[in-house]
Amino acid sequence: QKEVEQDPGPLSVPEGAIVSLNCTYSNSAFQYFMWYRQYSRKGPELLMYTYSSGNKEDGRFTAQVDKSSKYISLFIRDSQPSDSATYLCAMSEALTGGGNKLTFGTGTQLKVEL
Amino acid sequence: GAGVSQTPSNKVTEKGKYVELRCDPISGHTALYWYRQSLGQGPEFLIYFQGTGAADDSGLPNDRFFAVRPEGSVSTLKIQRTERGDSAVYLCASSLGTGNYEQYFGPGTRLTVT
Repeated sequence: QKEVEQDPGPLSVPEGAIVSLNCTYSNSAFQYFMWYRQYSRKGPELLMYTYSSGNKEDGRFTAQVDKSSKYISLFIRDSQPSDSATYLCAMSEALTGGGNKLTFGTGTQLKVEL
Repeated sequence: GAGVSQTPSNKVTEKGKYVELRCDPISGHTALYWYRQSLGQGPEFLIYFQGTGAADDSGLPNDRFFAVRPEGSVSTLKIQRTERGDSAVYLCASSLGTGNYEQYFGPGTRLTVT
C-alpha cells in the first residue's frame, strides 16, 4: 500500500463547477500538507500548504485537512478552463539530516470544459 | 525573480552512457532537493542538500546515481551506466532552508534512455 493515495482521474467538469480533489495517507509522521498544480511538461507549482487540521482559503482555493481521518482535500470554486492541469497532493516529513522530504500522490488530472 | 532553472530540458542518451543534469536554485535558497517523476506518477524524493553537503541521499535508487553541490548553489545529478528504467523527468526543488516547508520546483529535465 502506498503512503499517499490519490485518485488519478481524469476528472472532467463544466466551467464554473466546484471541484473536489482528495488524498488519503497512512504515515503519521507527515507534518505539512501541500497541493501542487502541474501543467503538461512543466514542473509542479505550489498552490497551498497547511499544517493543522481545518480549512485554509486562498482566493478560489480551499485546502482542508483532517488528521484524525488522515484525509486532505482541495476545493476549487468557480473553476476555469485555465485550471485544467494535474493536481498533486504532497505530504512533508522531517529528514534526519534536516530538511523535509515530500511524498506525493499520483496526481489527479482535471479538465474544465467551456 | 528568477525561479529554479534546470538544464538541459531534454536529454536523450543510449543505454550504458553517462549523463549529468544541472540545477540552479533560487538565489538565497540553501536547501536543494532532487526528485524523479515517472510517467503517470508523482515525484519521488532522491536526495537533499543543505549547503554543500548531501544531508540525506536515502532516495537514490542505487550507486549509479550521485549528486554534488560543491559551492552550495548549483547542483549536478550524475547517472552512470544509464538503463532504460532511468527514463523519467528529473526535478529539482529549492527551499529557503532547514525548517522551511515550501519547496519550489524547476521545469525538470526529461531523460530518455534508448
